[in-house]
Amino acid sequence: GAVVSQHPSRVICKSGTSVKIECRSLDFQATTMFWYRQFPKQSLMLMATSNEGSKATYEQGVEKDKFLINHASLTLSTLTVTSAHPEDSSFYICSANRGLYGYTFGSGTRLTVV
Amino acid sequence: AQSVTQLDSQVPVFEEAPVELRCNYSSSVSVYLFWYVQYPNQGLQLLLKYLSGSTLVKSINGFEAEFNKSQTSFHLRKPSVHISDTAEYFCAVSGRDFNKFYFGSGTKLNVKP
Repeated sequence: GAVVSQHPSRVICKSGTSVKIECRSLDFQATTMFWYRQFPKQSLMLMATSNEGSKATYEQGVEKDKFLINHASLTLSTLTVTSAHPEDSSFYICSANRGLYGYTFGSGTRLTVV
Repeated sequence: AQSVTQLDSQVPVFEEAPVELRCNYSSSVSVYLFWYVQYPNQGLQLLLKYLSGSTLVKSINGFEAEFNKSQTSFHLRKPSVHISDTAEYFCAVSGRDFNKFYFGSGTKLNVKP
């Protein structure tokens, strides 16, 4: 079946540094990918919609300058958390829209900012 | 806008016992409903979905969910659970355009021997 590979699965970074998370569709092309964030004991919250070849669409309250999204090809979307702070520590997960076949999710990235 | 409530954050149950994971949603428009499962260190996998037609939908591994419009619920049930069903289960709702998913906070099912 269709697979979305998300890397890294875990990352620890120092406060003030930037972290890049990759989301790849391995056996299909994804014109649209979605980025979610989940805080402990809370729902997965949609952060932004990533569209291949165009600017991402951010949900209300999500800082676009802090969470940079790039969708340069039909199989790769990246999320860069810039100048990370401890409050950015969370579980980030991507998904790809496969049209009528539904959505496929990556395995997630646990980000810890120290 | 839509929202999803999963009241039970954790559900412990013994093997071969029945289980019900509750999900309620709110929406001002017609929606599609989903249950996703996340096994440890893996991505979310679609378990079952309701799009239209029969309000009772079933998965290949014995789970079923019933769409109840009057109660705005989509509870997940299994008559006899296995150890391998231990995972976190997420209920989700989407508008008819599929553009956005709204997830519940998840329910951790812990099946004990």
